[in-house]
Amino acid sequence: GAVVSQHPSWVICKSGTSVKIECRSLDFQATTMFWYRQFPKQSLMLMATSNEGSKATYEQGVEKDKFLINHASLTLSTLTVTSAHPEDSSFYICSANSGRVQETQYFGPGTRLLVL
Amino acid sequence: GQNIDQPTEMTATEGAIVQINCTYQTSGFNGLFWYQQHAGEAPTFLSYNVLDGLEEKGRFSSFLSRSKGYSYLLLKELQMKDSASYLCAVRGGNRDDKIIFGKGTRLHILP
Repeated sequence: GAVVSQHPSWVICKSGTSVKIECRSLDFQATTMFWYRQFPKQSLMLMATSNEGSKATYEQGVEKDKFLINHASLTLSTLTVTSAHPEDSSFYICSANSGRVQETQYFGPGTRLLVL
Repeated sequence: GQNIDQPTEMTATEGAIVQINCTYQTSGFNGLFWYQQHAGEAPTFLSYNVLDGLEEKGRFSSFLSRSKGYSYLLLKELQMKDSASYLCAVRGGNRDDKIIFGKGTRLHILP
């Protein structure tokens, strides 16, 4: 299947700092990538849809000025958590459409963020 | 609005068969997915149904009825490693449309 990578896999930071998470599609081009957040024992909540060459589409209740998304190329999307606070501590996962027949989404391995 | 329902938890015995049901109400439909997620890991793709009927892939099968807004995931010959959360997810009307996830079913396998 298609491969999606995320970097870093783990981040621990102080409250008030900004954290950038990268999502890359390694063996295919992704015009659309998705960013999810998952709190412990809860399901994935879609935060935003990242579109190459245009602005991201945010889900209701997600602050676009706090969670900055940049889809710089067909293989890279970044999520920046600005002025992170402890309540932003979560598991952030990106995914991308493979563009193949099954049209499924392939997920990156996730980034665990801990804000102290 | 969009709604995806599945049981919160299920328990089954090693070697047995278990069926995890999912019902959905969404605006538009372009495929239903099942994912497996182990604790602390990202989801992994299991199956995709866009037409009515049964899709079989090894020990796992997935069924879809679009008219009933219903799907199930069938796991046969359960193994301890099958203990995980199983996520039902539905994509809306466009090929590049977002996928909305249900809350997941935590499956516990007993020896």
